[in-house]
Amino acid sequence: GAVVSQHPSRVICKSGTSVKIECRSLDFQATTMFWYRQFPKKSLMLMATSNEGSKATYEQGVEKDKFLINHASLTLSTLTVTSAHPEDSSFYICSAVSESSYNEQFFGPGTRLTVL
Amino acid sequence: GQNIDQPTEMTATEGAIVQINCTYQTSGFNGLFWYQQHAGEAPTFLSYNVLDGLEEKGRFSSFLSRSKGYSYLLLKELQMKDSASYLCAAVDSNYQLIWGAGTKLIIKP
Repeated sequence: GAVVSQHPSRVICKSGTSVKIECRSLDFQATTMFWYRQFPKKSLMLMATSNEGSKATYEQGVEKDKFLINHASLTLSTLTVTSAHPEDSSFYICSAVSESSYNEQFFGPGTRLTVL
Repeated sequence: GQNIDQPTEMTATEGAIVQINCTYQTSGFNGLFWYQQHAGEAPTFLSYNVLDGLEEKGRFSSFLSRSKGYSYLLLKELQMKDSASYLCAAVDSNYQLIWGAGTKLIIKP
């Protein structure tokens, strides 16, 4: 099946620093990738839709200047959390859409961000 | 608005059968996914239904009724490792997933 990787899997940083998370589709091309955030005991919250070669579409309430998304190629999207604060601590998950598979979303393993 | 409803929590016994229901209201419909998520991990794919009816895959089966906006996930011969959250997600007309809050399934020996 299609494989999506995320790097890093876990990151701890100081408040005020920026953190970049990479999402890669390893064996298929993904014109669309999604970035989710998950709060404890809650469902996934869609943050933004990332389309290759164009600007990301952010969901209401998500600060685009704080969560920078770049989809530079058909296999790579990056999420940069700028000037991170403790409230940004969360589990960030990306998914990549395989157009050849019913537009199914294949999920990355997630990145756990802890901001001290 | 778009909405997905599923029970918050269910409890079942090892070896038994459990059915997790999901009702949805979306702008357009392009199928429904069920995912399993263990704590601290990303969701993993279980099933996808776009046509009415039951699809069986080993111990897990998924049913869809488009006219009723209803789906269920059926888990048979429950094992302790099946303890997890089960997420129902409908695909809307823009091919975005609309997520339910998830059903936490607790399996007791």
